[in-house]
Amino acid sequence: KAGVTQTPRYLIKTRGQQVTLSCSPISGHRSVSWYQQTPGQGLQFLFEYFSETQRNKGNFPGRFSGRQFSNSRSEMNVSTLELGDSALYLCASIAGSGANVLTFGAGSRLTVL
Amino acid sequence: SQQGEEDPQALSIQEGENATMNCSYKTSINNLQWYRQNSGRGLVHLILIRSNEREKHSGRLRVTLDTSKKSSSLLITASRAADTASYFCATAPLTNTGNQFYFGTGTSLTVIP
Repeated sequence: KAGVTQTPRYLIKTRGQQVTLSCSPISGHRSVSWYQQTPGQGLQFLFEYFSETQRNKGNFPGRFSGRQFSNSRSEMNVSTLELGDSALYLCASIAGSGANVLTFGAGSRLTVL
Repeated sequence: SQQGEEDPQALSIQEGENATMNCSYKTSINNLQWYRQNSGRGLVHLILIRSNEREKHSGRLRVTLDTSKKSSSLLITASRAADTASYFCATAPLTNTGNQFYFGTGTSLTVIP
């Protein structure tokens, strides 16, 4: 099976811009979660999507949003970028019912200047 | 925050020695998992221990769980240079309605050849 694929791997944006990150989960995995990783805060849960519905949401401002498509691929969007949004954004997929283990992608490293 | 904490934050050992890292968490859990992250990459699942288990082994890994103290430890025996990475614990709360996991702050392990 192919792993979790995240694109782009690296990107540089300036303050005020917006960004869209993409995640293709493992085939058959219906749940996709997003995490933000920064040196100071560690891994922070952003949101989880299951069957195109947001099932859980972390404590992030409304500038952070996401969606999931019928093929389970997911995108997350950050609008009005701030310097503090610079981070590694990790996507993870999980099979769904009864499964417990996250499979992570390599991440998208966002730098906001 | 329901985030856990790992201790120590950083650990440096010689190849062949054992490495022990600890994790404390805050809520009642279904299970606790350990993940490994190589520099700036995605996380890789190592081992899962359920709340009704006290110890689990997988190859050179040994995990213990003490739910009364809300703590876990990961022991890596006979360490190798390739074990150099950051290690994170992740908990799945009992109240989980989906696949939201809380990650600790991580232990950075350096194994010196």
